Amino acid sequence: QVQLQESGPGLVKPSETLSLMCSVSGGSVNSASYFWGWIRQAPRKGLEWIGNVFYNGDTKYNPSLNGRVTISLDTSRNSFSLTLSSLTAADTAIYYCARLRGTTVTFDFWGRGTPVTVSS
Amino acid sequence: EIVMTQSPATLSVSPGERATLSCRASQAVSRHLAWYQQKPGQAPRLLIYDTSSRASGIPARFSGSMSGTDFTLTISSLQSEDFAIYYCQQYSDWPLTFGQGTRLDMK
Repeated sequence: QVQLQESGPGLVKPSETLSLMCSVSGGSVNSASYFWGWIRQAPRKGLEWIGNVFYNGDTKYNPSLNGRVTISLDTSRNSFSLTLSSLTAADTAIYYCARLRGTTVTFDFWGRGTPVTVSS
Repeated sequence: EIVMTQSPATLSVSPGERATLSCRASQAVSRHLAWYQQKPGQAPRLLIYDTSSRASGIPARFSGSMSGTDFTLTISSLQSEDFAIYYCQQYSDWPLTFGQGTRLDMK
């Protein structure tokens, strides 16, 4: 059974950069059958896709984030990471990492989520 | 970007009754539509993919269908554990987009 666990700071200041890591167990981030992605959920709001990284390191990002996002694989740690720059209060959310099925691009396994607050 | 619109925002149904949730895509997405369930304090859970295929471990009372760009999630006989928020997601094109959710409340 695949398990994902997010880690990172819970509080970040405006204009700074957020860095989160997602550790994967029970499966390899090298697998060509799956992608690895980040989704966020602002307080009392719906789900927003942030971006994906593929097994070969290729990425897809949500254009709404205006180039502030970087997602990368760390095969040595069997993990992947999210970097989001130029933070504002609008980036306050629960951040989830998830595995995507390569055949259907759906999120079949999720982490429990980590809350991030942007505030001075 | 493909906009997904869910209706109603809130649906109140009694246990044992049928619930029908709707999701409309702003353009054709073929059958590339998934449904998720989210309970308070939990991550979403994949229920349905490819419009009508149930994910592993999902009970048969959950079913999905489509007509053009209109998609439906039906829960045939509501159990207490089914009261949650439901989201649709299209994966026909990037960026991946979700609907705003339908809250299913106990009547």
